[in-house]
Amino acid sequence: NAGVTQTPKFRILKIGQSMTLQCTQDMNHNYMYWYRQDPGMGLKLIYYSVGAGITDKGEVPNGYNVSRSTTEDFPLRLELAAPSQTSVYFCASSSGLAGGNEQFFGPGTRLTVL
Amino acid sequence: GDSVTQMEGPVTLSEEAFLTINCTYTATGYPSLFWYVQYPGEGLQLLLKATKADDKGSNKGFEATYRKETTSFHLEKGSVQVSDSAVYFCALTGNTGFQKLVFGTGTRLLVSP
Repeated sequence: NAGVTQTPKFRILKIGQSMTLQCTQDMNHNYMYWYRQDPGMGLKLIYYSVGAGITDKGEVPNGYNVSRSTTEDFPLRLELAAPSQTSVYFCASSSGLAGGNEQFFGPGTRLTVL
Repeated sequence: GDSVTQMEGPVTLSEEAFLTINCTYTATGYPSLFWYVQYPGEGLQLLLKATKADDKGSNKGFEATYRKETTSFHLEKGSVQVSDSAVYFCALTGNTGFQKLVFGTGTRLLVSP
């Protein structure tokens, strides 16, 4: 199993550009998540999904969009990139079972907006 | 809402020293508790977990005990190595239905030879 994979690993955007961060998991997990991690900070939840076709906002959803057309894929879309979106983005997945909802993380995408 | 508080870092130790990283939480009900580790340039990995009071999670020489009376889940290791240098995150999730993970802000550990 590859686990959770993310592409690209690094990206530099200009202000106002858009891009899609890709995330795929091969563990047949129902639940998937997008986090951002700013320097020296913890993780903040952007969006999450409890299954194909179902998504919901986390703590910091503004400036982002997501979709979940399959169990495996959960892309994150940035529209009109802003310097405040410079961060490291992590995708994660979990089975969602109650009693120890362990999340499995991808390696991250480091995004810089200039 | 639920929250996790960790001691501020960095924690700087010499190799073979004893490690404690404090973590306390606020939550309704009976959450599950986790420690995740993030090595430089990588994503988070689960280090250990405990799902009920008095459970002890352990892995790679690290231990943490779920103390409901003090709402704590402190991470300990008897003898740290340089390779343990990383950022450690305490986290919790509820135990009824689907619950999101709530993370602490992380504690950076630096171990010198």
